[in-house]
Amino acid sequence: GQNIDQPTEMTATEGAIVQINCTYQTSGFNGLFWYQQHAGEAPTFLSYNVLDGLEEKGRFSSFLSRSKGYSYLLLKELQMKDSASYLCAVMDSNYQLIWGAGTKLIIKP
Amino acid sequence: SQTIHQWPATLVQPVGSPLSLECTVEGTSNPNLYWYRQAAGRGLQLLFYSVGIGQISSEVPQNLSASRPQDRQFILSSKKLLLSDSGFYLCAWSATPGTDGAGNTIYFGEGSWLTVV
Repeated sequence: GQNIDQPTEMTATEGAIVQINCTYQTSGFNGLFWYQQHAGEAPTFLSYNVLDGLEEKGRFSSFLSRSKGYSYLLLKELQMKDSASYLCAVMDSNYQLIWGAGTKLIIKP
Repeated sequence: SQTIHQWPATLVQPVGSPLSLECTVEGTSNPNLYWYRQAAGRGLQLLFYSVGIGQISSEVPQNLSASRPQDRQFILSSKKLLLSDSGFYLCAWSATPGTDGAGNTIYFGEGSWLTVV
């Protein structure tokens, strides 16, 4: 079966760095996505990785290793507004998105 | 630029009543359209997706249905709601595979909170 695993919840301190991991087992691979979802709101697109390596977008970076079935989202200089759930999703060989359950990130002052 | 809107934002419906959620996309043509449901504290569940007018694929058997009467309009319906239909419903769109450099990224509407009482 197809499966996406990510931690249920993480806690970090304002100004610090946090890494959210995602491992996957899917039928084929056509890219990995990270979304941010604030409580009560719709998910918003953060990043897309299809090749191995690191993609950087300001304070956020996303890494992919296809051979290991592994990705992480790195958030630097954490701000209180970064408190949200972070969703990992993989597009399989049929271009269908397989979603993880999300990681709830709590930022403490 | 492309935009997606869905409505209503919130609704409270009695068990056995009908449902209609609407979604429209602007600024693109022939998008792939999706309806997702997210139960409290849980992941996203794909309900329906459509690659064109009148073409609907159902992922989960249930008392919900979807229709696409126009290229950029997607409607989620039910004839009789159940308590278990409560949740956060999300409409989303993506470009046709192969036309989006970012791997057919899915973009979500604002969401609709449904409470069945």
